[in-house]
Amino acid sequence: QSVLTQPPSVSGAPGQRVTISCTGSTSNIGAAYDVNWYQHLPGTAPKLLMYGNNNRPSGVPDRFSGSKSGTSASLAISGLQAEDEADYYCQSYDSSLGHYVFGGGTKLTVL
Amino acid sequence: EVQLVESGGGLVQPGGSLGLSCAASGFTFSSYWMSWVRQAPGKGLEWVANIQEDGSGKYYVDSVKGRFTISRDNAKNSLNLQMNSLRVEDTAVYFCARDQALRLGGHDYWGQGTLVTVSS
Repeated sequence: QSVLTQPPSVSGAPGQRVTISCTGSTSNIGAAYDVNWYQHLPGTAPKLLMYGNNNRPSGVPDRFSGSKSGTSASLAISGLQAEDEADYYCQSYDSSLGHYVFGGGTKLTVL
Repeated sequence: EVQLVESGGGLVQPGGSLGLSCAASGFTFSSYWMSWVRQAPGKGLEWVANIQEDGSGKYYVDSVKGRFTISRDNAKNSLNLQMNSLRVEDTAVYFCARDQALRLGGHDYWGQGTLVTVSS
């Protein structure tokens, strides 16, 4: 199982807001290491969606937002669109392992 | 335009070896850490290894330590992953990714991936 825990799936109707959680521990998120988020469509290259907890790379809509508190982080997507349907992964650095770790991934379904 | 193009994937028997390459262009390759990330069929992303700008620091996930070697050729703008003693569980699409200049800021550019299949 993954060092970072994500729900396997979330869903929402177009226009709604959904959140994806990412729960870690005191050796990663809780140790003040930043959380990054990726959007991945099968068969394509993953896309960096959020870095440093709440920073959007150029070109990422402001419908996407990130937050972090304690040993957890969240990605929120507002105004859901059909094109948001994808797999989402959180990532952080783990000091016990000495390298990056990913969450198990969350499949977002737009109803 | 930043481009990362992986090559070298294929079918290999358990216990065999395979070398992957990633050709980088559109940025100053020698100024960035680089990573390999993989995705096994039906599974999530797994960070595999990364290497410091000058190649002096190399880090690996435990499951590949002692079997995989990451390297780079800054003169040729090339990232490599030598995979030895391959196991069935190493079957995955392997992505080359650039680490952001901001340390631990994730991977801002990715290749399209190359498929490695380990099977008898």
